[in-house]
Amino acid sequence: DADVTQTPRNRITKTGKRIMLECSQTKGHDRMYWYRQDPGLGLQLIYYSFDVKDINKGEISDGYSVSRQAQAKFSLSLESAIPNQTALYFCATSDPDRAASLPQHFGDGTRLSIL
Amino acid sequence: AQSVTQPDIHITVSEGASLELRCNYSYGATPYLFWYVQSPGQGLQLLLKYFSGDTLVQGIKGFEAEFKRSQSSFNLRKPSVHWSDAAEYFCAVGARESGNMLTFGGGTRLMVKP
Repeated sequence: DADVTQTPRNRITKTGKRIMLECSQTKGHDRMYWYRQDPGLGLQLIYYSFDVKDINKGEISDGYSVSRQAQAKFSLSLESAIPNQTALYFCATSDPDRAASLPQHFGDGTRLSIL
Repeated sequence: AQSVTQPDIHITVSEGASLELRCNYSYGATPYLFWYVQSPGQGLQLLLKYFSGDTLVQGIKGFEAEFKRSQSSFNLRKPSVHWSDAAEYFCAVGARESGNMLTFGGGTRLMVKP
């Protein structure tokens, strides 16, 4: 089983709809992240959470919200989806106590298309 | 703030030829440096990482990278490319001081000619 699992893997929806992307991890890491990938831009950080009670905005948080339901679960929501949020979304985890030996671990991504 | 530049958006090499992908970073302290590979439809797979010590780092799949502090570079190399190496490659920089936050370059798409 994958250490970092994202659901769904693919989603097509319409403008204005509310979307939730889910991420769960079995690595026991405190830190979780949501990234967005667009061609030519690499990965950009949307939100990150250092523990269940700590949520922080990343570079491009506008239009997104997150929920850290438990150490193992971190959800990303688009309250009212718009076409320029069409992208590939990645969840990642890291363990700060072993920062020098464990770089961020990534899920396989969610491809989101908004029509 | 840290930043990463991958100057080459696309690179095409012939199978069996050598490869070098460029990565330049900007960061005040000694950074942690990473190379990831992303095959079509897949997530990111870590190829190699540099934290300290020997500046020539060996990774998986026959890749290596060299940290050059004077040039603020961390270029990825492979002596002989295989068709299965065709993918997108991302360089990233992080540091303990920034909470292990990674900043990614824009990526280099590698195509391999038969």
